[in-house]
Amino acid sequence: DAKTTQPTSMDCAEGRAANLPCNHSTISGNEYVYWYRQIHSQGPQYIIHGLKNNETNEMASLIITEDRKSSTLILPHATLRDTAVYYCIGYNAGGTSYGKLTFGQGTILTVHP
Amino acid sequence: DGGITQSPKYLFRKEGQNVTLSCEQNLNHDAMYWYRQDPGQGLRLIYYSQIVNDFQKGDIAEGYSVSREKKESFPLTVTSAQKNPTAFYLCASSIRGYTGELFFGEGSRLTVL
Repeated sequence: DAKTTQPTSMDCAEGRAANLPCNHSTISGNEYVYWYRQIHSQGPQYIIHGLKNNETNEMASLIITEDRKSSTLILPHATLRDTAVYYCIGYNAGGTSYGKLTFGQGTILTVHP
Repeated sequence: DGGITQSPKYLFRKEGQNVTLSCEQNLNHDAMYWYRQDPGQGLRLIYYSQIVNDFQKGDIAEGYSVSREKKESFPLTVTSAQKNPTAFYLCASSIRGYTGELFFGEGSRLTVL
């Protein structure tokens, strides 16, 4: 699976959009980009995933560059409850990592009042 | 409500004792996973099971054992052979083994004294 690189930490004001970047320059053509978040001392929560096209759901939007070497998770109106560690993960269901997700250290997002 | 239940939430044990962490899901998911998380670190895969009566080692299986006798249950035993067992343990499930969309439990925090 592709190695992903994320900033260690980011801040965002409540009510503003939070844009979390992720670099995955070694991603292969059939690897998906998954995003999870983990609120302190809880289990991670799935947010969204995509392959090539931009995706949106009730939680967030995922923008993937045309060359697929990077992506951005967008929380459109951040709230204090969005303060968490956000993980960007490259995953290929058909590859050797079948059934296994590799969680790195992620980005600590802090939403301020 | 459907979900994953881990128990106990907190567990204290003396060094050299085996301990078993429970994980039950009522989501009718085929695949189940165990991860370990150390302070300030990402998640590391211990074991995973794609189907009943079958499981595979993850990246850090040494000192751990699992069983999958029922679809809804995937207990993890931390044996005395695990050199540094104090950690936060997370169980997860997915509808199939090939999807990257995992549902996590709330975790079990094990402290070995």
